[in-house]
Amino acid sequence: KAGVTQTPRYLIKTRGQQVTLSCSPISGHRSVSWYQQTPGQGLQFLFEYFSETQRNKGNFPGRFSGRQFSNSRSEMNVSTLELGDSALYLCASTPGTSGFSYEQYFGPGTRLTVT
Amino acid sequence: AQKVTQAQTEISVVEKEDVTLDCVYETRDTTYYLFWYKQPPSGELVFLIRRNSFDEQNEISGRYSWNFQKSTSSFNFTITASQVVDSAVYFCALRKNAGNMLTFGGGTRLMVKP
Repeated sequence: KAGVTQTPRYLIKTRGQQVTLSCSPISGHRSVSWYQQTPGQGLQFLFEYFSETQRNKGNFPGRFSGRQFSNSRSEMNVSTLELGDSALYLCASTPGTSGFSYEQYFGPGTRLTVT
Repeated sequence: AQKVTQAQTEISVVEKEDVTLDCVYETRDTTYYLFWYKQPPSGELVFLIRRNSFDEQNEISGRYSWNFQKSTSSFNFTITASQVVDSAVYFCALRKNAGNMLTFGGGTRLMVKP
């Protein structure tokens, strides 16, 4: 089974621009979560989508948004980029949204650099 | 609020030494799940283990073992006879019973020298 894929792997943007990152979960997985990893703040939860609905949201400003499509693929968007948005963005997928049997499988991440 | 603390930011050992990575967590939930992930230099988080709050049985998988103690809110990870390939950042994480939001600790960078 193919793992979680994320595109693009690397991205360089300028302050003020917007960016869209894509995540394709493992086949059959319906929940996709996004995390931001920075040296200063560590790994922080952004949001979770299940069946095209946002189920949970972390403590991030409204500039960070996401969506999920009917095939479970997900995108996240960051508008009006700031230097502090430079980070590794990780996507994770699980079969469902709750229950003891689910662990999250992570993709390789998208490294975003804002200049 | 949930919190995970990994007090050891960096550990350096020589190959074949045993090493234990500490994880202490805080939660008010009675049902929760604990995880360990490994992050090699490539950046991808690799799942190692999941433990349910109602199952305190320790687990061994090859050179890896985990000690879960609810009384001290700890979920420690031991690597026996460490190898250079074990060099990575290791994260402990906590999840509630509902939803898939993981709360991560700050990570422990393990360096195994030949």
